[in-house]
Amino acid sequence: GENVEQHPSTLSVQEGDSAVIKCTYSDSASNYFPWYKQELGKGPQLIIDIRSNVGEKKDQRIAVTLNKTAKHFSLHITETQPEDSAVYFCAASKPNTGNQFYFGTGTSLTVIP
Amino acid sequence: DTEVTQTPKHLVMGMTNKKSLKCEQHMGHRAMYWYKQKAKKPPELMFVYSYEKLSINESVPSRFSPECPNSSLLNLHLHALQPEDSALYLCASSQDLGHNQPQHFGDGTRLSIL
Repeated sequence: GENVEQHPSTLSVQEGDSAVIKCTYSDSASNYFPWYKQELGKGPQLIIDIRSNVGEKKDQRIAVTLNKTAKHFSLHITETQPEDSAVYFCAASKPNTGNQFYFGTGTSLTVIP
Repeated sequence: DTEVTQTPKHLVMGMTNKKSLKCEQHMGHRAMYWYKQKAKKPPELMFVYSYEKLSINESVPSRFSPECPNSSLLNLHLHALQPEDSALYLCASSQDLGHNQPQHFGDGTRLSIL
């Protein structure tokens, strides 16, 4: 299989500060890494993803970095806003598994106004 | 707004009832998924359908019975559930089962078993 670890489990930041969530994976065959945001009462929403042929990807205030050698990837949110408060899940996927996602355990982010 | 629609949003049922959860997508996706999510945990994969055929069953108890009537619809039939089956049930879809396909989730059905 694949084992994805995610840290921290909870994170509180002041509005306007940056937040960083880190994930590590065990199988070097994994090559697709999506990030999901889940607000209370909602389903997970894809916010950004990265493929293993890319080291970094950015979309406005959100960026993801990937270190294949160390087998870890991170989500960076800059200029945090209260609406960024949610649970964030990382995931990893590898070939020949029917597009199965191996999820991290989640990070509950609270942005304090 | 999510492009994957799940109904009902909430469901309360007794252990002897039979009910069904429904999921619909109109993105032309050919792969659809059922997940179970407990509070403060990541989604757990239950079933995967590809081109309306069951592709993956993650050893789910037979009291859960999936059905894919067509490429846009996915049902989950429930019968004789246990209290521990109370959870959020999520449906997702992707273009197909080819690698590196993002999955798009609905907002789920929150199921409570009395």
